[in-house]
Amino acid sequence: DSGVTQTPKHLITATGQRVTLRCSPRSGDLSVYWYQQSLDQGLQFLIQYYNGEERAKGNILERFSAQQFPDLHSELNLSSLELGDSALYFCASSVAAGGLDTQYFGPGTRLTVL
Amino acid sequence: EDQVTQSPEALRLQEGESSSLNCSYTVSGLRGLFWYRQDPGKGPEFLFTLYSAGEEKEKERLKATLTKKESFLHITAPKPEDSATYLCAVQATNTGNQFYFGTGTSLTVIP
Repeated sequence: DSGVTQTPKHLITATGQRVTLRCSPRSGDLSVYWYQQSLDQGLQFLIQYYNGEERAKGNILERFSAQQFPDLHSELNLSSLELGDSALYFCASSVAAGGLDTQYFGPGTRLTVL
Repeated sequence: EDQVTQSPEALRLQEGESSSLNCSYTVSGLRGLFWYRQDPGKGPEFLFTLYSAGEEKEKERLKATLTKKESFLHITAPKPEDSATYLCAVQATNTGNQFYFGTGTSLTVIP
C-alpha cells in the first residue's frame, strides 16, 4: 500500500458524459501527478500540481482538467468522453515540486466508456 | 520528438539466469531517468532515479546504469517474484519538466 488513495476504483459511463476522478496523496506529500495508461499508448503524463498550483503539464486534452484543493487532494475532470478515453488513470504523489523525488502511485481508477 | 524506447518488449528467463533490460531516450535536457516496476492491475512502484551519465544504483538483485543516451537495468540471478513489467521514464527540461514513459519490458522468470 503506497498510501495514495484513488476513488472510484472502477467507472463505467457513456460517450459524451463527464466524470470526476479523485486522489488523496500520502500524508505530507505536496505534489500530485496524474497519468493515463492505455493498452496502445502506455503510461502518459497528464499534469502535476504542487501545493495547489499547476507545476508541469503533459499532453492533457482540452476536455480534461484538474485541480488540487487546499487539503491537497486532487480531482481530474474528464468531459465529453470518447471511447478512446477508456484507460487506467493513475495518481501519484511526492514531497517536492521538482519531480525528481520518489513518486508513489495509487491503485488507479479504471474508466470504461461505452 | 522526445521519445523513450525500451527493449526487449518481453523477456523470459530461467530462475538464476541474469540479463539486462534497455531503455534508450532522445529527450533534450534530461533532468532524471526513472525505473519503475509494475505488477498487473497495480500502479507503478518506484525503483531508481539516475541523474547523470556514469551513475549506477543497486537494490537487491537490480542494478541500474545510465549513459548519455541509454540506461540499463541489470537483473542478477532473478527469482520468480521478479516477474513484472519494468518501466523506464525520463523527465525533460526542454518541455517544461514533462515525464515520458517507455512502453515497458514484460519480464517472466520461470522457476
